[in-house]
Amino acid sequence: DIQMTQSPSSLSASVGERVTITCRASQSIGNYLNWYQQKPGKAPNLLIFAASSLQSGVPSRFIGSGSGTDFTLTVTSLLPEDFATYYCQQSYSTPRTFGGGTKVEIK
Amino acid sequence: QVQLQESGPGLVKPSETLSLTCSVSGDSISSYYWSWIRQPPGKGLEWIGHIYYSGSTTYNPSLKSRVTISVDTSKKKFSLKLRSVTAADTAVYFCAREVWTAGSGVYYFDYWGQGTLVTVSS
Repeated sequence: DIQMTQSPSSLSASVGERVTITCRASQSIGNYLNWYQQKPGKAPNLLIFAASSLQSGVPSRFIGSGSGTDFTLTVTSLLPEDFATYYCQQSYSTPRTFGGGTKVEIK
Repeated sequence: QVQLQESGPGLVKPSETLSLTCSVSGDSISSYYWSWIRQPPGKGLEWIGHIYYSGSTTYNPSLKSRVTISVDTSKKKFSLKLRSVTAADTAVYFCAREVWTAGSGVYYFDYWGQGTLVTVSS
């Protein structure tokens, strides 16, 4: 199985701040990397697919980058609705695997 | 608008079989993979397995011996059976559509059900 490691596991930030979350794969996965946002009691919501492609309807303040084993999700300027947990996920192979999540909390 | 809706018992006894169904509306069930994903309370996401509309399945090796996923294309539903459950199987279970686009060449989960909590307890 491909292990996905996210860091940090949690962070505190203020509205307007720039936030970066890192995801590392245990082997090279090319650009087969997706990012999801999950709010309490809700299903995950796709933000970024193929490492850097913005899903339709997702604000442009969400930026994905990286390839191979190292990936980042950046929120350029946090809004109140962005406080949530973020997960990376690889689709290079089965079983599909997710990172452990990064909880973004209000400072 | 594509919608997925999970249904099934919210309480299952230890050693019994967990059975859930996902109903798909707003699009064809054909030409996609359909997944089950679970999330224990307060924890991360675990992929259980998926089924192609043709019936081809792939399961997570960690659960493979206990899982069966099936599809009924005429009813636009797919189902999960997880046998011999224990308390460790208590989780919110999500169904999700996995799509592949030629432009990206990558699979991703674009639509999810709202999730249903299944508790394993006597």
